[in-house]
Amino acid sequence: GENVEQHPSTLSVQEGDSAVIKCTYSDSASNYFPWYKQELGKRPQLIIDIRSNVGEKKDQRIAVTLNKTAKHFSLHITETQPEDSAVYFCAARSPGGSQGNLIFGKGTKLSVKP
Amino acid sequence: GAVVSQHPSRVICKSGTSVKIECRSLDFQATTMFWYRQFPKQSLMLMATSNEGSKATYEQGVEKDKFLINHASLTLSTLTVTSAHPEDSSFYICSARRDRDNSYEQYFGPGTRLTVT
Repeated sequence: GENVEQHPSTLSVQEGDSAVIKCTYSDSASNYFPWYKQELGKRPQLIIDIRSNVGEKKDQRIAVTLNKTAKHFSLHITETQPEDSAVYFCAARSPGGSQGNLIFGKGTKLSVKP
Repeated sequence: GAVVSQHPSRVICKSGTSVKIECRSLDFQATTMFWYRQFPKQSLMLMATSNEGSKATYEQGVEKDKFLINHASLTLSTLTVTSAHPEDSSFYICSARRDRDNSYEQYFGPGTRLTVT
């Protein structure tokens, strides 16, 4: 089955700096890669996603890149703000999984210091 | 759009009792819903995939007789934790996938904090 690795587990940056979180996946057939932001005690919120037919996608300060050959994808947050502090999860959808369920990475706790 | 609700948000029960958690897609239809379990400071672990009108698919290691899933309509799935034990205490989150051609997005409910005493 699919396996998703996420790094780093914790990341601390100064306000205004950029943050990058990286994930690798094992199933070359995986075709959908969302990123979720989860604040303490709250539900995961979808912040950006990318499909396997696209190499990069951007939404204001957030961007995701996908390298299918290397089987890795990354989340880039520019001009970080304190409200970006949260746990971020990457995920991959494997067509061979249970009705195409998402397999999640272990999460990255991002802290943005004012 | 794409709002998912969960009820209750918190529940405390005694060991040996059963607890039912509801997951509803409020503004869209969802043939497929997913149930996750999340321990403190850990990731989301898929427990089972719930399909409207058919039996749920459980992940390896998840006891189907203990975690009963019923997906009776296109907007409602329920998870019943039977004969709960303290080790079942956790944060349970559901997600729903919108019934739309070629849609992969999953939207999460707010979660249910279960404490078994």
